[in-house]
Amino acid sequence: GNSVTQMEGPVTLSEEAFLTINCTYTATGYPSLFWYVQYPGEGLQLLLKATKADDKGSNKGFEATYRKETTSFHLEKGSVQVSDSAVYFCALSPSKEYTGRRALTFGSGTRLQVQP
Amino acid sequence: ETGVTQTPRHLVMGMTNKKSLKCEQHLGHNAMYWYKQSAKKPLELMFVYSLEERVENNSVPSRFSPECPNSSHLFLHLHTLQPEDSALYLCASSQNPGLAGRTDTQYFGPGTRLTVL
Repeated sequence: GNSVTQMEGPVTLSEEAFLTINCTYTATGYPSLFWYVQYPGEGLQLLLKATKADDKGSNKGFEATYRKETTSFHLEKGSVQVSDSAVYFCALSPSKEYTGRRALTFGSGTRLQVQP
Repeated sequence: ETGVTQTPRHLVMGMTNKKSLKCEQHLGHNAMYWYKQSAKKPLELMFVYSLEERVENNSVPSRFSPECPNSSHLFLHLHTLQPEDSALYLCASSQNPGLAGRTDTQYFGPGTRLTVL
């Protein structure tokens, strides 16, 4: 079946540091890949997505590239801010050829703490 | 983001109470979802409705009863819950292209923080 593995947190960085949160997946075919962010006390917000191999999703300075050869979708940001402190979830949705479970499969989440 | 709203935002209930969670989406989507988010556990998919028909029930206890009266509204009826049911309950919606189609991006509500005493 489908699965998503994220690096365990918390990840603690100083402001303006470089961020990488690793995400790898197991899936049949060519899934779509997502990063969601959850700020304290709120629901999940879509951060970025990529729907095919070598696509790069980007938003608010965050980027992630869909790497089919390594089955990865690592999240990166060049310079983090205190306001980026949140929990980040990697997720996938099955490819259109897959007629089984169609809902998103989430990773366990990675908490990011950015210190001033 | 006000595309998906959930009420109430916080709920405290006893184990013998009956309550309902409400979700409403204003995005014109045709699929809606309930997720459970417990501390230190991955998001758990509970139910999926597509075109108002329940298409997934992810082995959820019968004390949770979903209802989808139309494509914009989703309810989760709760009765005789247990303390371990305390969690953040998240609703989401998406535009599902069809039974064998790719699931499109899901948009989430802010969640209902449920505490069972």
